[in-house]
Amino acid sequence: KAGVTQTPRYLIKTRGQQVTLSCSPISGHRSVSWYQQTPGQGLQFLFEYFSETQRNKGNFPGRFSGRQFSNSRSEMNVSTLELGDSALYLCASSFRDLRGLAGYTFGSGTRLTVV
Amino acid sequence: KNEVEQSPQNLTAQEGEFITINCSYSVGISALHWLQQHPGGGIVSLFMLSSGKKKHGRLIATINIQEKHSSLHITASHPRDSAVYICARTGSGGSNYKLTFGKGTLLTVNP
Repeated sequence: KAGVTQTPRYLIKTRGQQVTLSCSPISGHRSVSWYQQTPGQGLQFLFEYFSETQRNKGNFPGRFSGRQFSNSRSEMNVSTLELGDSALYLCASSFRDLRGLAGYTFGSGTRLTVV
Repeated sequence: KNEVEQSPQNLTAQEGEFITINCSYSVGISALHWLQQHPGGGIVSLFMLSSGKKKHGRLIATINIQEKHSSLHITASHPRDSAVYICARTGSGGSNYKLTFGKGTLLTVNP
């Protein structure tokens, strides 16, 4: 089956602009979570959506937002970009196994460079 | 203090060596995950553990819930095992879809 698809793979934006990243989960997975990876901070949780509802949110400013559509595809948006937003943005789709544990499949990520 | 601590940060080994990467966590978990990230970014989930031990090929992951500690072992290491290995936890209850990550261990296996 198809994996988690993130688009675009690479993006260069200017400070002050906004950006929208897309994530299509594995078919049947209803949870999508987003992560930011930087050399300094490592991997950090941004937010998680399940059935179009945000269930968890990390410690990021309000410039970072997201949504999930009825087909489980998700988008995240960053407004008023800052140089520090340059990072690899990863999404993961998630399933629950028979014990109720969450397993994850990651996309290849979108590398955002803010200049 | 980070909720998830990994050691060592960097590890260099010769091909064929047995490798151990350690992970400690400070709060309760529903599951402990071991992830692999090669240069270029893509992350692959290696193991999801809630107890005991799992084995996949040359990789073995163990967890001790009482001691809040997990280890990832690689037997007969190979240069293609060179990657960053990341330990992550998912919590219980409403936060169990939120991953909290360790800083990662950069493994280099030389031929």
